[in-house]
Amino acid sequence: AQSVSQHNHHVILSEAASLELGCNYSYGGTVNLFWYVQYPGQHLQLLLKYFSGDPLVKGIKGFEAEFIKSKFSFNLRKPSVQWSDTAEYFCAVEGSQGNLIFGKGTKLSVKP
Amino acid sequence: GAGVSQTPSNKVTEKGKYVELRCDPISGHTALYWYRQSLGQGPEFLIYFQGTGAADDSGLPNDRFFAVRPEGSVSTLKIQRTERGDSAVYLCASSAGRNTEAFFGQGTRLTVV
Repeated sequence: AQSVSQHNHHVILSEAASLELGCNYSYGGTVNLFWYVQYPGQHLQLLLKYFSGDPLVKGIKGFEAEFIKSKFSFNLRKPSVQWSDTAEYFCAVEGSQGNLIFGKGTKLSVKP
Repeated sequence: GAGVSQTPSNKVTEKGKYVELRCDPISGHTALYWYRQSLGQGPEFLIYFQGTGAADDSGLPNDRFFAVRPEGSVSTLKIQRTERGDSAVYLCASSAGRNTEAFFGQGTRLTVV
C-alpha cells in the first residue's frame, strides 16, 4: 500500500529564514503528488501539485516543491518564510481512486 | 455555495448514540471523499463516491460506519453506537475527478463522551 512520510513533526523558524519540509512516498510507479496547507482555524487548501512534466513545481505564496523520482521525494521549499506561513503542512500522494493518502503533517511556527 | 460545506461544525454525543454528519460538495463535482483526522495525524481516507455509488469504502473502520449519497450531491456519513475512539475531525472533499484538485470542507469535529 502507498504511504507518505513527513520527517519533521514541528519546525520553528524566524521570519526570513528558508524552509524545507521533507516528504517521501512509498510507491514506485507513476504518482500524483500534493502539498496541502491548513492555517489555524481554516480548511485544508492546496499549495501545489505535481502530475507530470517539470519536476520543479511552483505553488501559491512563493512555495515550490521538487519531485525527485530516484529518491521518492517531494520536498516543499520556500526561500524566505513569513509569520503568516504559520500553519500545518501535509504532503499527499493520490491513490488509485483519486483519494489522497496523507502524511502525518508538519507544524510550522514562524516567529516574528 | 462556492465551497464544500459540512454540518454541523461541532458535534458532542454520548457513547453509544447514533450520529449523522452532512457534506454539501461543490456543485457539479462528481467525486466525493470522506476522511477522518485524529489528533496529531494526517487525514485518513474513509470512503469515495463517484456519483451516487460508493466506489471504494475500504477505509471505513468497521460496520458501524456507513455513508450515502442518494442523489449524487449531498452525502451523509452515519456512525452507529459511537465509541470514544470515534472522536476526530471528519473531513469531506469533492473534486471533478481524478487528476483534478480536491476541495475540502472545514470538517465536523466529533466528540464522543
